[in-house]
Amino acid sequence: GQQLNQSPQSMFIQEGEDVSMNCTSSSIFNTWLWYKQEPGEGPVLLIALYKAGELTSNGRLTAQFGITRKDSFLNISASIPSDVGIYFCAPHAGGTSYGKLTFGQGTILTVHP
Amino acid sequence: SQTIHQWPATLVQPVGSPLSLECTVEGTSNPNLYWYRQAAGRGLQLLFYSVGIGQISSEVPQNLSASRPQDRQFILSSKKLLLSDSGFYLCAWSVLKTARGVNTEAFFGQGTRLTVV
Repeated sequence: GQQLNQSPQSMFIQEGEDVSMNCTSSSIFNTWLWYKQEPGEGPVLLIALYKAGELTSNGRLTAQFGITRKDSFLNISASIPSDVGIYFCAPHAGGTSYGKLTFGQGTILTVHP
Repeated sequence: SQTIHQWPATLVQPVGSPLSLECTVEGTSNPNLYWYRQAAGRGLQLLFYSVGIGQISSEVPQNLSASRPQDRQFILSSKKLLLSDSGFYLCAWSVLKTARGVNTEAFFGQGTRLTVV
């Protein structure tokens, strides 16, 4: 089966610092999604990427769909305390498994004021 | 606009008791539906997904089952709960983007915190 690796597992940073996290896989995907989850809530979609090489921004967030279609990264610039949460990548393969959506292990982000 | 409802929000059940969690979606047709479980605030484990009424794909062998009796209703069940079934259960939906040919942008319910005692 596919292997999906998300790193780092956790990050402790100071307010104002930039953050970078990534997901890599042994499989090729058609879509990469990035989600944020706050305690006790369901994940919320941050950015969706549909094309290899695509670079998309959403405010202070920037994400890229890797050229090989096997990886993606998410950057957060000038972090603030409300960025705290768990960030997940969720790639989608399409084709015969078009209904299936799996998630990375998550990156726990802690921002110190 | 589309909405997803999942209930109950919290549930405490004794070992060996049955389980039924319900999820409904409004404002869309023929959604893909998902059940995930999250343990200890970390990764989301895909349990079941459904691309249509009566079509259920199981991802992991377990003590749980899922059913989709109506287009926008997805039910997670167990006949006898185990302690290891405790966790945070999340329902989600998405729609196949036929223009792009991909399935994307899943949206989640608020989750059910299940504690088996």
